[in-house]
Amino acid sequence: KQEVTQIPAALSVPEGENLVLNCSFTDSAIYNLQWFRQDPGKGLTSLLLIQSSQREQTSGRLNASLDKSSGRSTLYIAASQPGDSATYLCAVRSLSGYSTLTFGKGTMLLVSP
Amino acid sequence: EAQVTQNPRYLITVTGKKLTVTCSQNMNHEYMSWYRQDPGLGLRQIYYSMNVEVTDKGDVPEGYKVSRKEKRNFPLILESPSPNQTSLYFCASSPGGGPSGANVLTFGAGSRLTVL
Repeated sequence: KQEVTQIPAALSVPEGENLVLNCSFTDSAIYNLQWFRQDPGKGLTSLLLIQSSQREQTSGRLNASLDKSSGRSTLYIAASQPGDSATYLCAVRSLSGYSTLTFGKGTMLLVSP
Repeated sequence: EAQVTQNPRYLITVTGKKLTVTCSQNMNHEYMSWYRQDPGLGLRQIYYSMNVEVTDKGDVPEGYKVSRKEKRNFPLILESPSPNQTSLYFCASSPGGGPSGANVLTFGAGSRLTVL
């Protein structure tokens, strides 16, 4: 059964820092991996989706990489801002059970002014 | 505006009193899903539906029922709620249920349920 782990569970940084969030998964037989953002009291918003054949995806200050063979993904946030404060979740769509996503528990990010 | 709407957003109820959490999407999506989110456990899938009249169990279906009689609606039914079903519930939808990169989930704002 696929398991997704996110490290660290929480992260606090000053504004302007570049930072990396980590996601690891146990079964490398995946279709894709997605990164979501969750703001307090709100639902999840999709940030980036990387197909298993891709190495990375970029959107603005966000860059997500995927190393399928080692079961790892990273989300790089450049020049962090207080508005980036949120919980970031990664989710994997496995080859077995492709109609479902397996989520990590998230990294809670706080960017202070 | 394209969205997934859940109601109620907040509910406090008592053990055994049947309740329904509604979910509606206006994007003509085929795939819909329910998740619950608990501290320390993350998001876990309850049920999902690939299309009208097609539903299947997720990881934690016990104590829940769903139906998909119309494409836009996917209600979550708790026939006899218990305190361990106190949680934050999310409904989500996507164009399809397959692994295509186009099938990005759109989430509702969540329903916080407390069962006393």
